[in-house]
Amino acid sequence: SYELTQPPSVSVSPGQTANITCSGDKLGDKYACWYQQKPGQSPVLVIYDDSKRPSGIPERFSGSNSGNTATLTISGTQAMDEADYYCQAWTGITAVFGAGTKVTVL
Amino acid sequence: QVQLQESGPGLVRPSQTLSLTCTVSGGSINSDTYYWNWIRQPAGKGLEWIGRIYTSGSANYNPSLKSRVTISLDTSKNQFSVKLSSVTAADTAVYYCASQETTPFDSWGQGTLVTVSS
Repeated sequence: SYELTQPPSVSVSPGQTANITCSGDKLGDKYACWYQQKPGQSPVLVIYDDSKRPSGIPERFSGSNSGNTATLTISGTQAMDEADYYCQAWTGITAVFGAGTKVTVL
Repeated sequence: QVQLQESGPGLVRPSQTLSLTCTVSGGSINSDTYYWNWIRQPAGKGLEWIGRIYTSGSANYNPSLKSRVTISLDTSKNQFSVKLSSVTAADTAVYYCASQETTPFDSWGQGTLVTVSS
């Protein structure tokens, strides 16, 4: 079965850039999405189709996808960005999620 | 965007069938624009896609759950439902319903906790 691999945790200082990776076989041939989840809340879509931002998502969130790796970049990270982030892709008619990355803003 | 709300029993006995309903507002479940999905999350763990259904009634399921899952539509109530049979403690999780217009899950319900315990 298809797997997406994320680092368990990423730490970033306020105002700095956080890069969260998601790896999978030929992931660049698929569309990657990213969801933000804060404790006790439902996930929120922050990036879809590799690099598109839904309405209402700040410009500091950006994405890319090439080869075997998709990357979510948070530029000028703020304390409010501390959360779990999940990547997701479709393999045929099956959705697959990464295990999630906890972003800590120190 | 549509709004979604899960409902159903919070406690299910082992070996029984888990049944949850998602009520859709702000849009028609008959719309040929959307897929309607179920996703779950055990406490402290990641997200797991359960399956989805299209307005035609055609459904796709996670291969790991396919033998136990059924997703259905009730167009008269603007709802869709999931049934998971032969549950065990491993099925204890927060269950979310979510809409999918293109590739991503763009709207999510608030989630409902289902505990499997005797």
